[in-house]
Amino acid sequence: AQSVTQLDSQVPVFEEAPVELRCNYSSSVSVYLFWYVQYPNQGLQLLLKYLSGSTLVKGINGFEAEFNKSQTSFHLRKPSVHISDTAEYFCAVSDYGSSNTGKLIFGQGTTLQVKP
Amino acid sequence: DGGITQSPKYLFRKEGQNVTLSCEQNLNHDAMYWYRQDPGQGLRLIYYSQIVNDFQKGDIAEGYSVSREKKESFPLTVTSAQKNPTAFYLCASRSLGLPADTQYFGPGTRLTVL
Repeated sequence: AQSVTQLDSQVPVFEEAPVELRCNYSSSVSVYLFWYVQYPNQGLQLLLKYLSGSTLVKGINGFEAEFNKSQTSFHLRKPSVHISDTAEYFCAVSDYGSSNTGKLIFGQGTTLQVKP
Repeated sequence: DGGITQSPKYLFRKEGQNVTLSCEQNLNHDAMYWYRQDPGQGLRLIYYSQIVNDFQKGDIAEGYSVSREKKESFPLTVTSAQKNPTAFYLCASRSLGLPADTQYFGPGTRLTVL
């Protein structure tokens, strides 16, 4: 069975500082990996996804993530955060076998709190 | 504009009542999904449907029911059998054209049991 662990429930950071949100997954098969962002009382918006190819994936709003197969990680990074990046971030995984169903397994979420 | 709409945004229910949450999409997506979100637990899959008149249980289907009579619509009924229904409910849809096509999410419905 697959699982996703987001290692930090909350990450406080000052504006313009770099940030890394950590995500580890467990799966016995190859996977697709996703990061979503959720602003308060809203739905989820896709930030980026890894399907294959280059392990460094660039997304919207200046975010990027690196897939590390040996460490089964998919950490999200941004070199300089803004107040507007304050939100909850979810890492998710879908295996090739369930790709036709699109079933996603989500981590517990990380709240990014950007302080002025 | 294409997208997913959920209604109502907020819903209050008395114990013992069934309530139905609406989800409509005009993206011409084949697949639709319902998730439940609780604080600190991420999103958990309730039901999903890949084609009209067919749907499958997700990880936490007990106490919920769905229908898929039209491609655009996937309503979720929270029945009185659901022991702890207070949560944020999110609907999503996805094209089945390519592997791992992105799931697009609606704005959510917050259900509170009084």
